[in-house]
Amino acid sequence: EADIYQTPRYLVIGTGKKITLECSQTMGHDKMYWYQQDPGMELHLIHYSYGVNSTEKGDLSSESTVSRIRTEHFPLTLESARPSHTSQYLCASSDTGGAVNYGYTFGSGTRLTVV
Amino acid sequence: EDQVTQSPEALRLQEGESSSLNCSYTVSGLRGLFWYRQDPGKGPEFLFTLYSAGEEKEKERLKATLTKKESFLHITAPKPEDSATYLCAAAFDYKLSFGAGTTVTVRA
Repeated sequence: EADIYQTPRYLVIGTGKKITLECSQTMGHDKMYWYQQDPGMELHLIHYSYGVNSTEKGDLSSESTVSRIRTEHFPLTLESARPSHTSQYLCASSDTGGAVNYGYTFGSGTRLTVV
Repeated sequence: EDQVTQSPEALRLQEGESSSLNCSYTVSGLRGLFWYRQDPGKGPEFLFTLYSAGEEKEKERLKATLTKKESFLHITAPKPEDSATYLCAAAFDYKLSFGAGTTVTVRA
């Protein structure tokens, strides 16, 4: 049973639309992450949060934004979707110390297609 | 710049044919080296963490080893259900840098 949930699993949307990808975890982890993954390519960190009201941009520049108002919830928003945003988005979480002991727990991902 | 490189990109094996995957890293202040398995359409699933050179971890047909500059994932007598993409990641601070993965296909 998954402890980190992402919705929707698949999303096809038109250019210019605003979208929010949801990510929730039930493990009480303080750290959460968003990665972007294109087919055959490595995961790239686009946002991370070390706790409530804490968000940082990752290594890969992204036009998306995130918020962390509750420990368990870390949504990602695109104000105006473009075809270049087409990708798989993976959410992950870890607890303090867990990141270097047990790695991350990943959700199943959202595959976004912007037409 | 921190970097993780995996080879080969793809590996096709006959059932029972053992092989190894390589992960080389140039991460300063490495805090851990991770191996994940990723099935199509799913998120990565944690396999192993290695912390220091010489360390080894085993799980069923998989064994991970670590040196100062690289890690190996050995697959012994693989079965078709071992077919997946195997990802390597290096931890610095609380963030992971991932390699592009090795896609393993095991034919019956």
